[in-house]
Amino acid sequence: GQNIDQPTEMTATEGAIVQINCTYQTSGFNGLFWYQQHAGEAPTFLSYNVLDGLEEKGRFSSFLSRSKGYSYLLLKELQMKDSASYLCAVRDRGFKTIFGAGTRLFVKA
Amino acid sequence: KAGVTQTPRYLIKTRGQQVTLSCSPISGHRSVSWYQQTPGQGLQFLFEYFSETQRNKGNFPGRFSGRQFSNSRSEMNVSTLELGDSALYLCASSLDEESSGGYTFGSGTRLTVV
Repeated sequence: GQNIDQPTEMTATEGAIVQINCTYQTSGFNGLFWYQQHAGEAPTFLSYNVLDGLEEKGRFSSFLSRSKGYSYLLLKELQMKDSASYLCAVRDRGFKTIFGAGTRLFVKA
Repeated sequence: KAGVTQTPRYLIKTRGQQVTLSCSPISGHRSVSWYQQTPGQGLQFLFEYFSETQRNKGNFPGRFSGRQFSNSRSEMNVSTLELGDSALYLCASSLDEESSGGYTFGSGTRLTVV
């Protein structure tokens, strides 16, 4: 079957750095996405990785290792508004996008 | 430009009834996907349409169906509603199935089955 694992919850302090890990086992691979979802809102696209390595976008970076079936999302200079759920999603061989259950991040002052 | 529009926003139905949800994607986006989101299960893939063809289907019973029209608008239908169908139904659009730009999600339809 297809499986995407992420930690359920994480807590970090304002101004700090947090790394949210994601491991996956899917039927083939055609890209990995990270989304942010605030409570009561729709998910919004953060990043896309299809080749190994690090993609940086402002305070957010995403890393991919296809051989390990592993990705992480790195959030720097955390702000209170970063408190949200972060969803890892993988597009499989058939271009179906499967989501993990999400990681709820709490940023405390 | 306008985002992804889903109607209605909220719906209350009785067990055994059927329901139709609508999604208008961003102009120019040809791929539309549907997801069911519940607190315990996260986002579960329902189906994906591209140029009026169903390209992928998730592991949901046949009571869940959908279609896409020539203008890329999509509908999903759930027949013989069950209490467990209560969820947020999200529609997401993208330029095409291989897009690197990810999905743009609509605000969802909150379905409550009583």
